[in-house]
Amino acid sequence: QLQLQESGPGLVKPSETLSLTCTISGGSISSSSYYWGWIRQPPGKGLQWIGSIHYSGSTYYNPSLKSRVTISLDTSKNQFSLNLRSVTAADTAVYYCARDIAGTHPFDYWGQGALVTVSS
Amino acid sequence: AIQMTQSPSSLSASVGDRVTITCRASQGIRNDLGWYQQKPGKAPKLLIHGASSLQSGVPSRFRGSGSGTDFTLTINSLQPEDFATYYCIQDYDLWTFGQGTKVEIK
Repeated sequence: QLQLQESGPGLVKPSETLSLTCTISGGSISSSSYYWGWIRQPPGKGLQWIGSIHYSGSTYYNPSLKSRVTISLDTSKNQFSLNLRSVTAADTAVYYCARDIAGTHPFDYWGQGALVTVSS
Repeated sequence: AIQMTQSPSSLSASVGDRVTITCRASQGIRNDLGWYQQKPGKAPKLLIHGASSLQSGVPSRFRGSGSGTDFTLTINSLQPEDFATYYCIQDYDLWTFGQGTKVEIK
């Protein structure tokens, strides 16, 4: 059974960089069939797609966040990561990692989510 | 970027009711649309993909329809466990979520 688990600091200071890692177990990140994505949800609000990465290394970002986001993958550790720069309180959210099956299923497997609070 | 407009933002219904939620894309997205159910404190759960294909293990009372720009999620005979928030998502061009519809108990 595929499992995804987010990890990283739960508290980040304003203007700093939010960094999260998603570790995949029960499956391989190294498949051309999948995209691996980050989605966030501010408290009490809806879902926002942040960005996705393909095994080939191709990245896709939400235009509204593109200038601040970098997603990368580490196939040796079966992980992919999110860096969000210059954060403000508006970036406080639960951050999810998820798998998308290219061309068929949008995000079908999700991590449990990680709450990241931006505060001094 | 493709925008997804979901309606209503909330609704009240009773157990046994039929519920309909709509999602409209700002441009044609073929049938590249999915629906999620999310309960408080939990990750979203994929219900429907490809606009009308039921995800494995999802009860048949959930039905998706539509193509192009207009899509519908119908829940037949609403059950107590169906009270939740529902989101649509397009994956035709990048990914965009609708704003969500909260289904509450009347």
